[in-house]
Amino acid sequence: EAGVAQSPRYKIIEKRQSVAFWCNPISGHATLYWYQQILGQGPKLLIQFQNNGVVDDSQLPKDRFSAERLKGVDSTLKIQPAKLEDSAVYLCASSYSSGANVLTFGAGSRLTVL
Amino acid sequence: DQQVKQNSPSLSVQEGRISILNCDYTNSMFDYFLWYKKYPAEGPTFLISISSIKDKNEDGRFTVFLNKSAKHLSLHIVPSQPGDSAVYFCAASKGSQGNLIFGKGTKLSVKP
Repeated sequence: EAGVAQSPRYKIIEKRQSVAFWCNPISGHATLYWYQQILGQGPKLLIQFQNNGVVDDSQLPKDRFSAERLKGVDSTLKIQPAKLEDSAVYLCASSYSSGANVLTFGAGSRLTVL
Repeated sequence: DQQVKQNSPSLSVQEGRISILNCDYTNSMFDYFLWYKKYPAEGPTFLISISSIKDKNEDGRFTVFLNKSAKHLSLHIVPSQPGDSAVYFCAASKGSQGNLIFGKGTKLSVKP
């Protein structure tokens, strides 16, 4: 089965600019997650979708981050405006249902904010 | 407040020997624990898991031990192989939900 696809793999922007990341989960996976991994840290959940509804966005900085999952398949994560501390790898993951702990991760999108 | 702690940033082991990676947690509500392995430029991949009703789970060369009273788990790799060189993340959750809390990871180097 195809894995979780993410793009772009790398992005360099200046602070205050905007950026968007795209994720295509494994076919049939109802639950989609966006994680932020800062260098030297473990992944931290930003937002969890069940189909196209938000299950948990308690750790999403909503003043600058937004995410959507239209039609319950692909998802986009947007940052506007970006700050230096947003430099990180943004990992998308999916699972068959929200009751499944085993997540399949994509390769991630590495963001550098200058 | 780190709820999942991996206190060893790195570990170096000789090929063929045992690798032991440790993880401590503070939240007694966690009842499901997982280990993920991550190679450079790739996403984490699931390795092995254990629920709080067990104290050991084995899968081939990989065994996870859980000590609930000490809030401690460990991953044993026997025998270690150079291809096991990667960053290993410990993760925990409350119930069968996808909201995993990850540790900072331990970089394992297995030398030939």
